[in-house]
Amino acid sequence: EVQLLESGGGLVQPGGSLRLSCAASGFTFSAYAMTWVRQAPGKGLEWVSTINIGGGSTYYAASVKGRFTISRDNSKNTLYLQMNSLRAEDTAVYYCAKGDSWPYYFDYWGQGALVTVSS
Amino acid sequence: QSVLTQPPSVSGAPGQRVTISCTGSSSNIGAGYDVHWYQQLPGTAPKLLIYGNNNRPSGVPDRFSGSKSGTSASLAISGLQAEDEADYYCQSYDSSLSGWVFGGGTKLTVL
Repeated sequence: EVQLLESGGGLVQPGGSLRLSCAASGFTFSAYAMTWVRQAPGKGLEWVSTINIGGGSTYYAASVKGRFTISRDNSKNTLYLQMNSLRAEDTAVYYCAKGDSWPYYFDYWGQGALVTVSS
Repeated sequence: QSVLTQPPSVSGAPGQRVTISCTGSSSNIGAGYDVHWYQQLPGTAPKLLIYGNNNRPSGVPDRFSGSKSGTSASLAISGLQAEDEADYYCQSYDSSLSGWVFGGGTKLTVL
């Protein structure tokens, strides 16, 4: 059974940093692209970032480029999202998702981690 | 504003058929990129409903179907049930943005 478990969410002040993790199990993690998608309170889904199987190719939404960094550790079956220079508008539930078949759809999702940016 | 446009809400009575549209442009759906659909029940994570325009993952009832034509796509739900009440999102890839895009979401209400 595919499982994705996010952790690392919480309350952070504007300008601060936070690192999210997503622990994967139930599939060959190193064989699939991975993605972060976020959802602000009461709003729709917004794609944030995607990383390919080896980590050599990364993609970012314009809203987070230069502030967020996606990475993966295939030896630990774990996906990361380093978030710097956080803003109030980054407040959202962040989901990690498994990607399949370029240019990817997202076939499994985690339960989400809430990130709140507020003073 | 979302790159993919969906109606904010649709509704239907139990047993009826409803459709949800997803309108894109020449850099995403019109460029030939596939459209995928997700269902998000209240308080839960999104779930893949349709992939590759018209394919259902294992376990998704055949009451759900997808189609694509030109710069648009549609999700159809037949034999509407109370448990179908949820938010539905379309998704594709956009070559101009070099990234993935979602529709704004459609809230389905079962009357």
